[in-house]
Amino acid sequence: TQTVSQSDAHVTVFEGDSVELRCNYSYGGSIYLSWYIQHHGHGLQFLLKYYSGNPVVQGVNGFEAEFSKSDSSFHLRKASVHWSDSAVYFCAVGTGNTGKLIFGLGTTLQVQP
Amino acid sequence: NSKVIQTPRYLVKGQGQKAKMRCIPEKGHPVVFWYQQNKNNEFKFLINFQNQEVLQQIDMTEKRFSAECPSNSPCSLEIQSSEAGDSALYLCASSLGGVSQNTLYFGAGTRLSVL
Repeated sequence: TQTVSQSDAHVTVFEGDSVELRCNYSYGGSIYLSWYIQHHGHGLQFLLKYYSGNPVVQGVNGFEAEFSKSDSSFHLRKASVHWSDSAVYFCAVGTGNTGKLIFGLGTTLQVQP
Repeated sequence: NSKVIQTPRYLVKGQGQKAKMRCIPEKGHPVVFWYQQNKNNEFKFLINFQNQEVLQQIDMTEKRFSAECPSNSPCSLEIQSSEAGDSALYLCASSLGGVSQNTLYFGAGTRLSVL
């Protein structure tokens, strides 16, 4: 059984700060890892993904994430956040060939001016 | 920005009433998913289709849930007899399938409130 854990329910930073949102997973086989963002009242928007190759992947709006097999992690980072980055961020794991994803419970990022 | 269109945005039903929501996937995406997101941000996979065929589905809650994706028509998810516990955000997503099957493009969702 695959599980996804996002250890921080809420993260608050100031505009211009760097931020790291944590994601840990448990699964023994090949997996597909991704991050999504959900602004209030909207659906999820794809940010970035990792399946193989370079463990550091770049996404939209300056986000990047790093895969670590040894830590079973896929943490999301941004060097300098903007107020518009305030949203809920979901880490997701995909396995198999059906495209079905398992989501974490999300981390609410609040960026203060 | 995603081009998955879901209607209606909001749906209010009484217990026991039917609730139907629709989804137009992004053009050229053959795979369609339905997820339920509750107020605790727990996602529940409901069903997915490739073209008009069901790929996977959960045990659709005593058959109260049904879904279809007919050709040349919107996909739909219907709850035959709504219950309070069905109140949630219902998200439709589509993907290209193949090597991009795990990249989902979501609609804005239909928020169902069962009174």
